[in-house]
Amino acid sequence: GQNIDQPTEMTATEGAIVQINCTYQTSGFNGLFWYQQHAGEAPTFLSYNVLDGLEEKGRFSSFLSRSKGYSYLLLKELQMKDSASYLCAVRITGSTLTFGKGTMLLVSP
Amino acid sequence: GAGVSQSPSNKVTEKGKDVELRCDPISGHTALYWYRQSLGQGLEFLIYFQGNSAPDKSGLPSDRFSAERTGGSVSTLTIQRTQQEDSAVYLCASSLGVSYNEQFFGPGTRLTVL
Repeated sequence: GQNIDQPTEMTATEGAIVQINCTYQTSGFNGLFWYQQHAGEAPTFLSYNVLDGLEEKGRFSSFLSRSKGYSYLLLKELQMKDSASYLCAVRITGSTLTFGKGTMLLVSP
Repeated sequence: GAGVSQSPSNKVTEKGKDVELRCDPISGHTALYWYRQSLGQGLEFLIYFQGNSAPDKSGLPSDRFSAERTGGSVSTLTIQRTQQEDSAVYLCASSLGVSYNEQFFGPGTRLTVL
């Protein structure tokens, strides 16, 4: 079966940097996605990686190593509003996404 | 512009009843996806549409689940003879096309089966 692992919970302090890891073992690979989901709300797209390396978008960056089956999401200058669940998802074939269970990030003052 | 909308936002039903969930994608988006999210679980893919056809129904959990899309727009997900394990948040997403990376999600329908 397909396996996507991420830590269940993480805590960090406002203004700090946090790295959320995601490892995957899947039967195929056609891109890795990160989504943010605030409690009770819809997931919103953060980033997409299909080639190895780092993609930077403002305070958020995402890294991919296909050979290691590994990605991370880096959040800089944390703000209270960054408290949310962060979902790692792999597009295995076609256009459907297989999601991990998500990492709940709590940012404290 | 308007995002993806879903109705109802909440649905409470009795075990054994049928329910119908509706999704209105973003105008012009040809691809539409259904997921469900159970407590403590990740999003689980159910089915996707490209236009009105569903190339991949592999995620539907049982034959009690069906979905259709008409006019390349609105989609309905029907669950027949609901069971308590069907309780979850059902999320719909749309994208410009299947080759586009960003899927835009609706707010979801919270289904509770008593």
